[in-house]
Amino acid sequence: EIVLTQSPGTLSLSPGERATLSCRASQSVSSSYLAWYQQKPGQAPRLLIYGASSRATGIPDRFSGSGSGTDFTLTISRLEPEDFAVYYCQQYGSSPRTFGPGTKVDIK
Amino acid sequence: QVQLVQSGAEVKKPGASVKVSCKASGYTFTGYYMHWVRQAPGQGLEWMGWINPNSGGTNYAQKFQGWVTMTRDTSISTAYMELSRLRSDDTAVYYCARAMVRGVSPFDPWGQGTLVTVSS
Repeated sequence: EIVLTQSPGTLSLSPGERATLSCRASQSVSSSYLAWYQQKPGQAPRLLIYGASSRATGIPDRFSGSGSGTDFTLTISRLEPEDFAVYYCQQYGSSPRTFGPGTKVDIK
Repeated sequence: QVQLVQSGAEVKKPGASVKVSCKASGYTFTGYYMHWVRQAPGQGLEWMGWINPNSGGTNYAQKFQGWVTMTRDTSISTAYMELSRLRSDDTAVYYCARAMVRGVSPFDPWGQGTLVTVSS
């Protein structure tokens, strides 16, 4: 099973600032089958990034993903008020599918 | 548009079973795997398994084997997840989530979630 670790656990930033979230895998994620999801309170997760760096339909270009192998990054270039949420990484290239524990981005 | 609509909240006693439904619309139901994910209160996301709506084939996470059953009814484009022998730590929101594409795929979209509360 691939274990995903996310850091930091919480990121306190102000609107307009840049957010950098990290996801590290216990073994290489095949073919960069790594996704990022955003979840707001009381809502289902929403797919942001797949294939490590491809934006899902309708996702603003301030969200970008990068990385390969075992180290991946989600960057939000300029935080908007609606971006304060919890972000999860997920590997979907092997079974069981696994999620990281999440990074909460909150308002400083 | 692609939409997944889940059944309503449930309250169950320990030892009982629960069956959650997920009705799909806006696409060919048999064309895309359906996954189930749960989230305990204040916790992260836990993948439970998938069902191939075309064949009915399933793949469960090891933790849930012998304990979860995923089925589908293609005539009404609905997937089901049944969890038996419920315990208090099964209290969670249960989500269905469609594979975004055929083959190896992330999950998109997701259902709205079904809260299952296990309490005596």
